[in-house]
Amino acid sequence: QVQLVESGGDVVQPGRSLRLSCAASGFSFSSYAMHWVRQAPGKGLEWVAVIWYDGGTKYYADSVKGRFTISRDNSAKTLYLQMNSLTAEDTAVYYCARTGGISVAGAFDYWGQGTLVTVS
Amino acid sequence: DIQMTQSPSSLSASVGDRVTITCRASQNIGLSLIWYQQKPGMAPKLLIHGASSLQSGVPLRFSGSGSGTDFSLTISNMQPEDFATYFCQETYSHSYTFGPGTKVDV
Repeated sequence: QVQLVESGGDVVQPGRSLRLSCAASGFSFSSYAMHWVRQAPGKGLEWVAVIWYDGGTKYYADSVKGRFTISRDNSAKTLYLQMNSLTAEDTAVYYCARTGGISVAGAFDYWGQGTLVTVS
Repeated sequence: DIQMTQSPSSLSASVGDRVTITCRASQNIGLSLIWYQQKPGMAPKLLIHGASSLQSGVPLRFSGSGSGTDFSLTISNMQPEDFATYFCQETYSHSYTFGPGTKVDV
């Protein structure tokens, strides 16, 4: 079955960096675009970044552009989020999610359990 | 960027009720509208894609409608497990904007 397992969340000081990972299994990872979505404590969902199946195209939310970098290693079936210059506003649970493709109108059909990043 | 709004922000319901949540996009997004359900401490779960298509495994009491800028999610017969927060999302643009959410509680 499809599984997405995030890791790397931690408590970090403002201005520092952190890298999140998302290990995928149960599907052909290299065939799907992948996203990072975050949720600040008690708040709604905020889309962060997407990377195309081959890593060739990436888009970012304005709030993280220039500070965060999404990448993937298809041979390792792993998605990454490099986060630099962290601020308190980046404190959130970070989810990785799979784009289900055109059959589900680009919906995010599988999500990981999330990893907590606290900037303090 | 496309802005997404939802109403109401919260509502109270009882088991057996019919509940409707609305979502509005700031521009025409066609049918590129998604609905998710999220329970506390859990990841969101896909309910509806393409504005009205039920995701596999989702109960038939959930339905979606709308196109363009105005959409709705209806739960026809609220069950105890349906008390949760519901988010809409547009997948028309590469901003993948979520609505602010609607919390449905008792």
